[in-house]
Amino acid sequence: EPEVTQTPSHQVTQMGQEVILRCVPISNHLYFYWYRQILGQKVEFLVSFYNNEISEKSEIFDDQFSVERPDGSNFTLKIRSTKLEDSAMYFCASSVRGPGQYFGPGTRLTVT
Amino acid sequence: KNEVEQSPQNLTAQEGEFITINCSYSVGISALHWLQQHPGGGIVSLFMLSSGKKKHGRLIATINIQEKHSSLHITASHPRDSAVYICAVKKNYGGSQGNLIFGKGTKLSVKP
Repeated sequence: EPEVTQTPSHQVTQMGQEVILRCVPISNHLYFYWYRQILGQKVEFLVSFYNNEISEKSEIFDDQFSVERPDGSNFTLKIRSTKLEDSAMYFCASSVRGPGQYFGPGTRLTVT
Repeated sequence: KNEVEQSPQNLTAQEGEFITINCSYSVGISALHWLQQHPGGGIVSLFMLSSGKKKHGRLIATINIQEKHSSLHITASHPRDSAVYICAVKKNYGGSQGNLIFGKGTKLSVKP
């Protein structure tokens, strides 16, 4: 069964450093999403991406965040200058249309 | 007020018991997801519903659009069902995509 993959599974970085989280969505999917979950809290929407542009973003997704689909398969989330409060589990998801999102296993980001 | 509310927050059951987890939402939706999150953090989509009822193995999900309520039932529960169960809704924007809004989750523990 096709699945969404994410790398790395765990990333440790120092405050102020840039990180790039990578996702490979399911190949025929057209819509891509990033969510995050701070430890002990609920999952929160960050951004959705369609047709090579951001279609929606939340208040969390400020200028420190960016997304890119650099080639036909990868979908990346970049955090330019990480803060302690960016420590969270980051989930990528994809869908053929809006409903029916498939989630990746997540990347645990730890900012020290 | 949260747009998606789940109850109970925590649930402990004995193996074999019938389990019900509830989700209420306050917005117009086009779809509702039930998701399972294991202790390792990964999220698995169990069901996507827009009406009626769906069944997969020992899991049953129902939704009442008029009452803005959904339930997830687990029959003959087993310790391996222990996980956090999350309700998430897709707001009805009238378009074909949109982010998911998540409940806080219900932590289920099934004792042998």
